[in-house]
Amino acid sequence: EPEVTQTPSHQVTQMGQEVILRCVPISNHLYFYWYRQILGQKVEFLVSFYNNEISEKSEIFDDQFSVERPDGSNFTLKIRSTKLEDSAMYFCASRQTQGGIDTQYFGPGTRLTVL
Amino acid sequence: DAKTTQPNSMESNEEEPVHLPCNHSTISGTDYIHWYRQLPSQGPEYVIHGLTSNVNNRMASLAIAEDRKSSTLILHRATLRDAAVYYCILTTSGTYKYIFGTGTRLKVLA
Repeated sequence: EPEVTQTPSHQVTQMGQEVILRCVPISNHLYFYWYRQILGQKVEFLVSFYNNEISEKSEIFDDQFSVERPDGSNFTLKIRSTKLEDSAMYFCASRQTQGGIDTQYFGPGTRLTVL
Repeated sequence: DAKTTQPNSMESNEEEPVHLPCNHSTISGTDYIHWYRQLPSQGPEYVIHGLTSNVNNRMASLAIAEDRKSSTLILHRATLRDAAVYYCILTTSGTYKYIFGTGTRLKVLA
């Protein structure tokens, strides 16, 4: 069964460093998402991406964040200058429009630790 | 904020059925009801979804109230592997982001 994959599974970085989290969505999906989950808290929406542009973003997704689909398979989340509070699990998700049903499929996540 | 209300936690004995309730009194006519679960240290996993009619799949059943203001996820025989946080999510037409609540933490007792 097709699945969303994410790399790396765990990323440790120093505060102020740039990180890129990578995702390979399900191949025939058209909509892509990033969510994050701070330890012990809710899963929070960050951004949605369709047709090579951001379709919606949350207040969390400020100028430090950017997303890109550099080729036909990868979808990346970049954090330019990491802060301690960026430590969280980051989940990528993808969706294929199918009769208007919005079923998103999530990857296993990248645990980001900012020291 | 999440538009759904779920109990914080529930317990079940192994191999017994589990009924996980969700209230969504402000649901609109075009909202789908999705259920996901999140096992420890994993991403949310799709379980089932529905619009108006009850639905069954290999993982679970979804019972939707006639007025659609509530729904129940039914696990027919809980196993230890079903211990997870279960989320009930409404997907609103026109905006496709998911808004997660705190979900129901299901504990399965051996």
